[in-house]
Amino acid sequence: QKEVEQNSGPLSVPEGAIASLNCTYSDRVSQSFFWYRQYSGKSPELIMSIYSNGDKEDGRFTAQLNKASQYVSLLIRDSQPSDSATYLCAAARGGSYIPTFGRGTSLIVHP
Amino acid sequence: DAGITQSPRHKVTETGTPVTLRCHQTENHRYMYWYRQDPGHGLRLIHYSYGVKDTDKGEVSDGYSVSRSKTEDFLLTLESATSSQTSVYFCAISETGAMGRNQPQHFGDGTRLSIL
Repeated sequence: QKEVEQNSGPLSVPEGAIASLNCTYSDRVSQSFFWYRQYSGKSPELIMSIYSNGDKEDGRFTAQLNKASQYVSLLIRDSQPSDSATYLCAAARGGSYIPTFGRGTSLIVHP
Repeated sequence: DAGITQSPRHKVTETGTPVTLRCHQTENHRYMYWYRQDPGHGLRLIHYSYGVKDTDKGEVSDGYSVSRSKTEDFLLTLESATSSQTSVYFCAISETGAMGRNQPQHFGDGTRLSIL
């Protein structure tokens, strides 16, 4: 069974720090990976997609993928209280249009 | 933002009544999905569609049916609602990706359904 594992948290970081969110996946043939942010009472919102090993940067966000170790991470630099949310990781096989979601990590950024 | 509209946004109903939730998209995406999200369970796939009149079951499909008669509309029906179906329901859409690169899903704003 395909699984995506995330620490539920909460992960608490001070404002201005780097928040590091991690995700591991069990399906070795996963090829596409996604990070979503979900504010309380709202719907998931796509932050980043990553497909190749290495880092992908978008503003304050950096996604890191290591297929050999089967993990993907999301770094948030200069964390702000507005980054406080639950972050969902998802993985999908190539050719599959049904991703597997983790249960999410709750991030709290305190002033 | 992806053009996805869910209706109704909130609904309270009684056990045993039928309920239909609607998802409407303006993106012309091929794939549409219904999820439910409950504390401690994360997102769980109920049903999905890979084209007009092409649907299949997800991991928690019991008690739910779907229909997709047009590309833009995907309906989720609870034939006889039960209290265990109280949840937040999200519709999502995605498009066909290039080889090896799945396109991400985009989510609607959700429907909060309470069954008393």
